Amino acid sequence: AQTVTQSQPEMSVQEAETVTLSCTYDTSESDYYLFWYKQPPSRQMILVIRQEAYKQQNATENRFSVNFQKAAKSFSLKISDSQLGDAAMYFCAYRSSSIYNQGGKLIFGQGTELSVKP
Amino acid sequence: NAGVTQTPKFQVLKTGQSMTLQCAQDMNHEYMSWYRQDPGMGLRLIHYSVGAGITDQGEVPNGYNVSRSTTEDFPLRLLSAAPSQTSVYFCASSSREGYNEQFFGPGTRLTVL
Repeated sequence: AQTVTQSQPEMSVQEAETVTLSCTYDTSESDYYLFWYKQPPSRQMILVIRQEAYKQQNATENRFSVNFQKAAKSFSLKISDSQLGDAAMYFCAYRSSSIYNQGGKLIFGQGTELSVKP
Repeated sequence: NAGVTQTPKFQVLKTGQSMTLQCAQDMNHEYMSWYRQDPGMGLRLIHYSVGAGITDQGEVPNGYNVSRSTTEDFPLRLLSAAPSQTSVYFCASSSREGYNEQFFGPGTRLTVL
């Protein structure tokens, strides 16, 4: 079974600085997808960025980028030029490429609470 | 396009009561799922459906029932509420392709006394 681990329950960053959130996962599959979701106090789950395992190039979305290390099973999220609106809970998630794996379920890490100091 | 909608947003139940959490999506997605979110545990899959008439269990199905009579709707039933079911519940939908985003509803905060 696949597992996702986020070892940092809380992180803090100064506004305009850069912060990296860690995520490791365990799987025996070779093809899969990885996601970072943001959950602000409103509770809404918002997709931040996604990565396909077969792509070596790290995904980027504006100020958000990932460092995907497939061999090490590591998928960290880097937030550059942090803004007050980035304060939220961040979840790392894994999804199998097999459509027969429980309806494409997402396996979530425990979450990292990010605070941004002005 | 409303996306994924859930009702109610908040609910308080007494132990032993039953209720249904409603979920609907207007994106014609095949896949729909129910997750529960508990502190320090992320989100865990309760039940899922890969199409109308097809449902199956996830990681934590005990105490919950689902049905999927239409593509749009995927209600979650609590048969006899227990305090251990106090949680935040999310409904999600996606198309079949694994790369595609799962869209989440706004969540339901349920408290069982």
